[in-house]
Amino acid sequence: QVQLQQSGPGLVKPSQTLSLTCAISGDSVSSNSAGWDWIRQSPSRGLEWLGRTYYRSRWYYEYALSVRSRITITPDTSRNQFSLQLDSVTPEDTALYHCARDFGYLDSWGQGTLVTVSS
Amino acid sequence: QSALTQPASVSGSPGQSITISCTGTSSDVGTTNYVSWYQHYPGKAPKVMIYHVSNRPSGVSNRFSGSKSGNTASLTISGLQTEDEADYYCISYTGSSGFVFGTGTKVSVL
Repeated sequence: QVQLQQSGPGLVKPSQTLSLTCAISGDSVSSNSAGWDWIRQSPSRGLEWLGRTYYRSRWYYEYALSVRSRITITPDTSRNQFSLQLDSVTPEDTALYHCARDFGYLDSWGQGTLVTVSS
Repeated sequence: QSALTQPASVSGSPGQSITISCTGTSSDVGTTNYVSWYQHYPGKAPKVMIYHVSNRPSGVSNRFSGSKSGNTASLTISGLQTEDEADYYCISYTGSSGFVFGTGTKVSVL
């Protein structure tokens, strides 16, 4: 059974970079059938899919249009994890962030990290 | 890549059936079988109830069913129970822009 363990700071200053990591156990970030996603939720926006990475003989990346200019998702095969980097954050990026595994649907989720953007 | 459109709220009495719609476009819902539905309690991780339009994961009650017609997917909950009160979201694969969530529907059991 896969487990996803998130880590990263809960407070980020405006204009700085939000960085979160999702450690995978019970599966591989290099799986040829799964994708590895980041999602966030907030009272104002509900659930918002941010992006994902997946490996099919090479690495692929897909990002939501709303954050495409600011987001980077990076797989780390040596540590079997993947990370989220969101640049130039504003208070509107305050949300509960989740990592998840996908098979065309999101079947397993991390515990969530509340990230507040505030000075 | 606009959010898929769902009704803000749907309500029903115990034992009744309700249906939640999820309307997209020919670029997302209308062109993929990667449509899934999630039961969500705020602050918690969502739980998949239906995947690939109409498939139910093991452990999910058979009172939950999914379908799709054109650009609109639907989730039906039959035999409504108080424990079904939650927010429900659809999500669809869009191809070039990854996934997109619906706007969410609050289900109330009267």
